[in-house]
Amino acid sequence: KAGVTQTPRYLIKTRGQQVTLSCSPISGHRSVSWYQQTPGQGLQFLFEYFSETQRNKGNFPGRFSGRQFSNSRSEMNVSTLELGDSALYLCASSWSAGGEETQYFGPGTRLLVL
Amino acid sequence: GENVEQHPSTLSVQEGDSAVIKCTYSDSASNYFPWYKQELGKRPQLIIDIRSNVGEKKDQRIAVTLNKTAKHFSLHITETQPEDSAVYFCAAFPGGYGNKLVFGAGTILRVKS
Repeated sequence: KAGVTQTPRYLIKTRGQQVTLSCSPISGHRSVSWYQQTPGQGLQFLFEYFSETQRNKGNFPGRFSGRQFSNSRSEMNVSTLELGDSALYLCASSWSAGGEETQYFGPGTRLLVL
Repeated sequence: GENVEQHPSTLSVQEGDSAVIKCTYSDSASNYFPWYKQELGKRPQLIIDIRSNVGEKKDQRIAVTLNKTAKHFSLHITETQPEDSAVYFCAAFPGGYGNKLVFGAGTILRVKS
């Protein structure tokens, strides 16, 4: 089985711009979770989608949004980028929702905001 | 909600020694505890997990123990090797609809050769 894939792998944007990141889960997985990883901050949960519905949301401002399509692929969008949004954005997929089954991570998208 | 604390934040050991990383959780309903290893520049990868109906699980040089009464679980790595150097994350899942996996802050493990 192919693993979780994320595109693009690297991205450079300037403040005020918006960005869309994509995540394709493992075939058959219906849950996709998104995390922000910055040095010293560990893995900060953004949101989780299951069967096209947002199941859970972390403590991030409304500039961060996401969606999931019928094929379980997910996108996250960050509008009005700030310098502090520079981070590695990871998505993880699992067969069931919530995390009671193994989550498999993608390689991440490294976003640099200038 | 669930809160997971992980200690130590950094750990240096000599090659061949053992390494132990400890995590505590707050929600007694938590029933699934995975451990992830993240090497520099790579994605987190599951190395071992344990469910609440089991007290210990081993996989070669890696073991995880769970103490539900004290609400803590630990990762044990024996005969450490330089390739064990990485960041390790513990996590806990409280169970039930609407909950999510909660991660610890991570431990940087350095194995010195």
